[in-house]
Amino acid sequence: ETGVTQTPRHLVMGMTNKKSLKCEQHLGHNAMYWYKQSAKKPLELMFVYSLEERVENNSVPSRFSPECPNSSHLFLHLHTLQPEDSALYLCASSLEQSLGTEAFFGQGTRLTVV
Amino acid sequence: GENVEQHPSTLSVQEGDSAVIKCTYSDSASNYFPWYKQELGKRPQLIIDIRSNVGEKKDQRIAVTLNKTAKHFSLHITETQPEDSAVYFCAASGGASGGSYIPTFGRGTSLIVHP
Repeated sequence: ETGVTQTPRHLVMGMTNKKSLKCEQHLGHNAMYWYKQSAKKPLELMFVYSLEERVENNSVPSRFSPECPNSSHLFLHLHTLQPEDSALYLCASSLEQSLGTEAFFGQGTRLTVV
Repeated sequence: GENVEQHPSTLSVQEGDSAVIKCTYSDSASNYFPWYKQELGKRPQLIIDIRSNVGEKKDQRIAVTLNKTAKHFSLHITETQPEDSAVYFCAASGGASGGSYIPTFGRGTSLIVHP
């Protein structure tokens, strides 16, 4: 267990559904990330939050909406997704400091859009 | 921003052989270079890392080397075992600019160790 917990582990949703992914960390980290990992593709950075403020949005479609209510929790709200959005969604956290540090990943949510 | 290139994308070796994965980075200010291993269906996990003030680091069968001048770093696995089969990601982060703590990942190398 790395200290980063994601729920749910698996999610199947229709294209008209609305669902949310949750990520929680109690490592004292102040930066949190959402990554998308599709089959045989690299890790794609979606969003970065630092001290609850969004600092990066990598041209992600608006059907993905992140929320960071505090430094320990991160959500990804999903609505009207497409089948190509099916992927493993990974949350990660790290310390925000100029001296780079390890990123700790959650176990991921395997999302299937039908 | 930082750009990390990783090669090869796939590496197939026989058990007992050595495996080497190479990465290059573009930002000379980067100071932290971790390697992550992702087994099938699992999360990426750190296996070894190196900072810019060190040229080499070793942990049992794995080692990482860093050439700051050439801006490249490599992962070396000796005496490979089937359980080493996984996807390996390199990353770079750190530096003076804003957002430098955000790791930039390579595209990953799928290592297959044949028994």
